[in-house]
Amino acid sequence: AQTVTQSQPEMSVQEAETVTLSCTYDTSESDYYLFWYKQPPSRQMILVIRQEAYKQQNATENRFSVNFQKAAKSFSLKISDSQLGDAAMYFCAYNTDKLIFGTGTRLQVFP
Amino acid sequence: GAVVSQHPSWVICKSGTSVKIECRSLDFQATTMFWYRQFPKQSLMLMATSNEGSKATYEQGVEKDKFLINHASLTLSTLTVTSAHPEDSSFYICSARGVSYNSPLHFGNGTRLTVT
Repeated sequence: AQTVTQSQPEMSVQEAETVTLSCTYDTSESDYYLFWYKQPPSRQMILVIRQEAYKQQNATENRFSVNFQKAAKSFSLKISDSQLGDAAMYFCAYNTDKLIFGTGTRLQVFP
Repeated sequence: GAVVSQHPSWVICKSGTSVKIECRSLDFQATTMFWYRQFPKQSLMLMATSNEGSKATYEQGVEKDKFLINHASLTLSTLTVTSAHPEDSSFYICSARGVSYNSPLHFGNGTRLTVT
């Protein structure tokens, strides 16, 4: 069975600084998708970034980028120039026929 | 972008009653819908996967007779919590996906269920 692990229950970062959230997963599949979702206090799930496993190039969306290491089954999220609005729960997720979430990392941003 | 409407956003019911939660895809055909449950400060746990016109596939440990899922059309899936008990109190979130398994998932805003 596929599993997704986020080893950092909480992280904090100073405004304008950079923070990296870790994620590892376990799968025997070769074709899959990986996601990072943000869940603010409103509890709405917001897609941050998406990576196709067959693509070697790391995905980037403005201040958000990933470090995808397929062999190591690692998928970390880097947030550059952190903003107060980035404070939220962040979930790493693995998708083939269904989306499985990691345990989440609560990110605090300090001014 | 694609929108998924989930209703109600919150509901309070008495123990022993049943509650229905609706999940609608407003501007696309949702071949597959997923139902998640989220306890406070925890992750989203997949309860079941429903494909239009067929029976839902439940994850291990989820009681299919308690959590009835219907996906009768390409735009609507419902989750009915039958004979609700206080331990069923939780946040329930649906998500919908289009034709391909690699289509983006779109989430509803969730339903907070409180059973008294």
